[in-house]
Amino acid sequence: EAGVAQSPRYKIIEKRQSVAFWCNPISGHATLYWYQQILGQGPKLLIQFQNNGVVDDSQLPKDRFSAERLKGVDSTLKIQPAKLEDSAVYLCASSSPRGADTQYFGPGTRLTVL
Amino acid sequence: QKEVEQNSGPLSVPEGAIASLNCTYSDRVSQSFFWYRQYSGKSPELIMSIYSNGDKEDGRFTAQLNKASQYVSLLIRDSQPSDSATYLCAVRGSSYKLIFGSGTRLLVRP
Repeated sequence: EAGVAQSPRYKIIEKRQSVAFWCNPISGHATLYWYQQILGQGPKLLIQFQNNGVVDDSQLPKDRFSAERLKGVDSTLKIQPAKLEDSAVYLCASSSPRGADTQYFGPGTRLTVL
Repeated sequence: QKEVEQNSGPLSVPEGAIASLNCTYSDRVSQSFFWYRQYSGKSPELIMSIYSNGDKEDGRFTAQLNKASQYVSLLIRDSQPSDSATYLCAVRGSSYKLIFGSGTRLLVRP
């Protein structure tokens, strides 16, 4: 079974630029999560999708961050414009309806904002 | 007060010893508790989940939960250098989302 795929693995941009991250969850996993992990901290949930609907986006900075999961499969997270404090690893995770407590994480995208 | 608190470490133990990792949480209605292992530069991996008071054992790992004290711990027996990683405690509380602690770095000395 293929794991959660993410791209790119690394991205360096300057502040005020825009960036997009892509995630493809494990096949059959209806729930998809985007986390932000700042160095030295634990992951923080940004947004959770159930199929293509948003379950929780309470911690998503909506003035600059957006996410979509149009067909209920892969997802894109966008930051526009980026700030220095957005430097972090962006992790995508997915879980199946029967194993909702087990979240499988992708390798992450390390974003550096200069 | 942080929702999930862990000592950042590093916790250094000799090979073969028991490593004890601790976590406290603030949401009294939390029902689900998890331990994730994260190697440097890698993504978190679930190693244990626990839902009721007491101990739960899986191989060399034992998770312990005390809801009255709002305390969860992870014991690693016969620690190996390959256990050196950051261990993240995560709690699912009243908001139903996972809240992670900042993690404890464990170093197992050969």
